[in-house]
Amino acid sequence: DAGVIQSPRHEVTEMGQEVTLRCKPISGHNSLFWYRQTMMRGLELLIYFNNNVPIDDSGMPEDRFSAKMPNASFSTLKIQPSEPRDSAVYFCASSLASLGYGYTFGSGTRLTVV
Amino acid sequence: GESVGLHLPTLSVQEGDNSIINCAYSNSASDYFIWYKQESGKGPQFIIDIRSNMDKRQGQRVTVLLNKTVKHLSLQIAATQPGDSAVYFCALEGGGNKLTFGTGTQLKVEL
Repeated sequence: DAGVIQSPRHEVTEMGQEVTLRCKPISGHNSLFWYRQTMMRGLELLIYFNNNVPIDDSGMPEDRFSAKMPNASFSTLKIQPSEPRDSAVYFCASSLASLGYGYTFGSGTRLTVV
Repeated sequence: GESVGLHLPTLSVQEGDNSIINCAYSNSASDYFIWYKQESGKGPQFIIDIRSNMDKRQGQRVTVLLNKTVKHLSLQIAATQPGDSAVYFCALEGGGNKLTFGTGTQLKVEL
């Protein structure tokens, strides 16, 4: 099992540019979560999907952020336009809800907006 | 809303000693709690979990204690090793398979 796979591992972009983060969950998992981690705010849930359907996006900071899950094996988190305050590590996690909620996290994407 | 917090941002222990990391929460309706370990440059990694119908659960060198009366959760690590150095997070389930994470405790193991 390759685990949750995120790409890219690092992204440096200029303010105003579009950024797309990618996630491949563990095969068979039916829930997918996007988290953002910063020193100031810790781990924040941005959005999560159950069976490819967005369930709660109340954590998405503003309209510049959007997430999609076109199928069970792929999700994207897009920031457009990016701003320096979006700099953080973005984690994707997946779980099989019926097995007790424990998530498996990916290695994260470190985003730096300059 | 619910809040989850850790008592100490940093904990230093000597190698071989036992470590205790504490966590307080506010949501009395939570019925599932997890401890995660995060090493530098990596994502959080599941360590151990416990449901609200239990007050203690043991794993390999780790024990989680749950006190629902005072809404307190602790993680005990026996015979702490240098490889245990990491940030530890408690997390609780707040409905809909959604976890809320605490602020984390940095565990430093001194040789």
